[in-house]
Amino acid sequence: GAGVSQSPSNKVTEKGKDVELRCDPISGHTALYWYRQSLGQGLEFLIYFQGNSAPDKSGLPSDRFSAERTGGSVSTLTIQRTQQEDSAVYLCASSAEGGQPQHFGDGTRLSIL
Amino acid sequence: GQNIDQPTEMTATEGAIVQINCTYQTSGFNGLFWYQQHAGEAPTFLSYNVLDGLEEKGRFSSFLSRSKGYSYLLLKELQMKDSASYLCAVKGPSARQLTFGSGTQLTVLP
Repeated sequence: GAGVSQSPSNKVTEKGKDVELRCDPISGHTALYWYRQSLGQGLEFLIYFQGNSAPDKSGLPSDRFSAERTGGSVSTLTIQRTQQEDSAVYLCASSAEGGQPQHFGDGTRLSIL
Repeated sequence: GQNIDQPTEMTATEGAIVQINCTYQTSGFNGLFWYQQHAGEAPTFLSYNVLDGLEEKGRFSSFLSRSKGYSYLLLKELQMKDSASYLCAVKGPSARQLTFGSGTQLTVLP
């Protein structure tokens, strides 16, 4: 597609449930990033994929968070046993290669009740 | 690691010029980005500086001084639509991810 696509745009779920967020990057972009943005805060890096290399998971806040990227394209971010502090906007970005300007999706607004 | 500082809020008048500063302390530096983010929307790329000096792009310019760990974004002929959060982001030695500042919320008044 023309830009980075994320789904769902909004997700409301109960505490303790698992959620799966999807990101479809710009076609041909080898680098894909996940960030989290809490209200009024900057972007918090979560995980980075570059081609077929092992992902950089250094930003994942706990082992409840995981992500995968299938076929070097679509990525899913999974949060298990959600907690209220997981409520945030989850942004995905892609770039032509690591370090190049990143293009962001519109994000998924996650609300944990 | 990286530490990035920018003012939380700024206010300016339509038609004026505003300068948004960003200072950083980093163990390695490979470039600095500026992004614009309107409320409820995704950040959009504005500029990228890797060498010292001024990069001009229409009404927006970005300056970098690596020796001072300092950058600014200059917005000229302000328009109401420029009201947004402006994020400074530093690319570290691994070039794998950006470290973002908390953003400067700019309000343009008529």
